[in-house]
Amino acid sequence: DAGVIQSPRHEVTEMGQEVTLRCKPISGHNSLFWYRQTMMRGLELLIYFNNNVPIDDSGMPEDRFSAKMPNASFSTLKIQPSEPRDSAVYFCASSFVLEATSRVYEQYFGPGTRLTVT
Amino acid sequence: AQSVTQLGSHVSVSEGALVLLRCNYSSSVPPYLFWYVQYPNQGLQLLLKYTTGATLVKGINGFEAEFKKSETSFHLTKPSAHMSDAAEYFCAVTPFGESGGGADGLTFGKGTHLIIQP
Repeated sequence: DAGVIQSPRHEVTEMGQEVTLRCKPISGHNSLFWYRQTMMRGLELLIYFNNNVPIDDSGMPEDRFSAKMPNASFSTLKIQPSEPRDSAVYFCASSFVLEATSRVYEQYFGPGTRLTVT
Repeated sequence: AQSVTQLGSHVSVSEGALVLLRCNYSSSVPPYLFWYVQYPNQGLQLLLKYTTGATLVKGINGFEAEFKKSETSFHLTKPSAHMSDAAEYFCAVTPFGESGGGADGLTFGKGTHLIIQP
């Protein structure tokens, strides 16, 4: 299994530009999570999807952030316009949830995208 | 709502010594608890998890953790530290119980950087 795949691994952009981060979850997983990691705030959950439907986006910092999951094998996190304070490592994670229990047992993380906004 | 507190942002131990990383949680419902490890420039890897049943759980690389409900703790230990254990360790919690309906995101502690002295 290839694991969770994220692209790009590194992104450097100028303030005001649009940034799109991509994630391919593990095949067969039905839940996908986007996290952000910074020195100041640690790891924060931004949004998660279950069966391609956004379940909780309360962690999305503001309207400049949006996420989509058009199918079970692909998700994007977009920042438009980007700002220097968005600089962070963004992780995607996936998991499988049995509907009968609705419990998450473990999440598998991708390698992350290091975003630098100048 | 739930939260995680990891005592000590940095812990330094000698090679061969006991490793103890502390984690306390608060949760309005019984929790699922996790320890993840992050090596430099990599994603998070699951070390071990507690869901239900035996309160002492064993994970990879010789680590184990014990769930103590009365103390709301889930401390991570390893009898003998190895140089390869140097990394960032994260404790995480997700709610268990009545909040069903799909996957829930993880709430992470701020992390503990483990330093191994030769």
